[in-house]
Amino acid sequence: NAGVTQTPKFQVLKTGQSMTLQCAQDMNHEYMSWYRQDPGMGLRLIHYSVGAGITDQGEVPNGYNVSRSTTEDFPLRLLSAAPSQTSVYFCASSSGHLNTEAFFGQGTRLTVV
Amino acid sequence: KNEVEQSPQNLTAQEGEFITINCSYSVGISALHWLQQHPGGGIVSLFMLSSGKKKHGRLIATINIQEKHSSLHITASHPRDSAVYICAVFASGSRLTFGEGTQLTVNP
Repeated sequence: NAGVTQTPKFQVLKTGQSMTLQCAQDMNHEYMSWYRQDPGMGLRLIHYSVGAGITDQGEVPNGYNVSRSTTEDFPLRLLSAAPSQTSVYFCASSSGHLNTEAFFGQGTRLTVV
Repeated sequence: KNEVEQSPQNLTAQEGEFITINCSYSVGISALHWLQQHPGGGIVSLFMLSSGKKKHGRLIATINIQEKHSSLHITASHPRDSAVYICAVFASGSRLTFGEGTQLTVNP
């Protein structure tokens, strides 16, 4: 059972480039989310999805796009990378019920130069 | 003020010491998570609790809903416990709000 698979683990982009961070889970979880982690700050919610075809903005959505065409996959797209998007990104999933465990991907360390 | 506050921000202990990390929150919650993040970055869930106390090995988590406070205790600490410990709450819907984390270093 792979859990939450997040790729790539590391990425360097030039300002203005676009890329997609991949996230897949094999636990049939309805709820998936993307967070960014910056020094001195807690994880902040970028976008989330409560099921296939349903997405919504989190706390810091600007510059990012998501889609949820299947239950398993929840990719995060950077439309035009900026140095302010240098961060560590985590994908997470849960069954969506309030009292259940959350599972996290291994993280993507993104540097925008 | 953050909705979730952790203390201390940094903690250094000697191997074998009893460790306590605190988490206070300002909103009504349905559940609270304690997470562990090791160097190298992966995050794993340690506990999810909505009342009382849970124990797993040398780790104990407690929560007081009335006081909006939770603690994570580590008994007989070991250098492999060195990590960042993160408190997170389910405050609304299915969205988690995270504390900034506590960096724990256990020296041999």
